[in-house]
Amino acid sequence: GAVVSQHPSWVICKSGTSVKIECRSLDFQATTMFWYRQFPKQSLMLMATSNEGSKATYEQGVEKDKFLINHASLTLSTLTVTSAHPEDSSFYICSARLDRENSEQYFGPGTRLTVT
Amino acid sequence: GQNIDQPTEMTATEGAIVQINCTYQTSGFNGLFWYQQHAGEAPTFLSYNVLDGLEEKGRFSSFLSRSKGYSYLLLKELQMKDSASYLCAVLSNDYKLSFGAGTTVTVRA
Repeated sequence: GAVVSQHPSWVICKSGTSVKIECRSLDFQATTMFWYRQFPKQSLMLMATSNEGSKATYEQGVEKDKFLINHASLTLSTLTVTSAHPEDSSFYICSARLDRENSEQYFGPGTRLTVT
Repeated sequence: GQNIDQPTEMTATEGAIVQINCTYQTSGFNGLFWYQQHAGEAPTFLSYNVLDGLEEKGRFSSFLSRSKGYSYLLLKELQMKDSASYLCAVLSNDYKLSFGAGTTVTVRA
């Protein structure tokens, strides 16, 4: 159990375009989902926390107008990278948590974004 | 803020034991996780410690000392497939995970 999927697994887009990444909890309902970004040979950096039915909470330094997060249901959160630039090329990973009292997060397989 | 330190790289021989240390200074503490991450893949859960002491799970063990802000992950009977990055992550009071930079373990024959 506790499987999280991401789609697409990899995407190449042109500079200036927008890209949407989906994160789904397949066999459980996730009240909270997290979005991370990982640059090569670096660790995961939390970008934002997404709670179902409310606005996402962004970490310091993350532009909320550039990285749009929508958590419309208990099984789906989306991250849209708007007006992508080459420096946005990274590995984007989502995770999902059952509820606030459950500390474990279940990670998706990640999405490799390359902006040309 | 969060400050989590772990060594950058470690190399060991197949069949040997390796210990990866992690020290942390965080504004709140709700437990410490260890994850394994192969290149280009998402992290996979290895262990979770919230109380002091040693947690053993097969070839992997994890230790925590909250008073010292210290944890280690012990990998025994190393196998080639254990070559990966190992991430130490601290769960804060608001249930957010902060990750260390990761330790790349290379297992040699």
